[in-house]
Amino acid sequence: AAGVIQSPRHLIKEKRETATLKCYPIPRHDTVYWYQQGPGQDPQFLISFYEKMQSDKGSIPDRFSAQQFSDYHSELNMSSLELGDSALYFCASSYWTGPDPGYEQYFGPGTRLTVT
Amino acid sequence: KNEVEQSPQNLTAQEGEFITINCSYSVGISALHWLQQHPGGGIVSLFMLSSGKKKHGRLIATINIQEKHSSLHITASHPRDSAVYICAVRTGKLVFGQGTRLTINP
Repeated sequence: AAGVIQSPRHLIKEKRETATLKCYPIPRHDTVYWYQQGPGQDPQFLISFYEKMQSDKGSIPDRFSAQQFSDYHSELNMSSLELGDSALYFCASSYWTGPDPGYEQYFGPGTRLTVT
Repeated sequence: KNEVEQSPQNLTAQEGEFITINCSYSVGISALHWLQQHPGGGIVSLFMLSSGKKKHGRLIATINIQEKHSSLHITASHPRDSAVYICAVRTGKLVFGQGTRLTINP
């Protein structure tokens, strides 16, 4: 079965550079979520999109932006990178399956970003 | 205080033992997820539940909505079960617990 695809899987950038992470949801999934997991930390919700519109916003820095495209893939754009942005960035996708319990999030393998 | 608390934070057991990981939460939720993360690896969704109990192979997850508590059980544990197990509750977005690092020794 198709899974959530993220690219690239690994990315090394220098401080103040920009990075773009991509997420391709499972076919027919209409919602995409982005999470950031710092070293030794819990994943933290960044932002989500439903039908190409931002549906919820978490602890996403102003230096980051994201969007969902017409084919439902999403991109997370990160500018003026800082050392603290080094983390594993997960994308998840979901599709409404009914009221109980509604939808399940399927996670991608993550993109490991290292800022030097 | 975190909205999602897991216990224990670390658990080491011998192969074959019965494992229980607990999750308590303090907010209203629409569903609770149990996730598995291997070192340096991605997250795998084990269960999503909003009531009762679910079973998949050697894994069992239960939830008590009134007590705001869920448990993940592993029967006949195996070294390949060694991973971090994360409880996450859905409050619109997912709020994650700090994870339980499980090590199963042969």
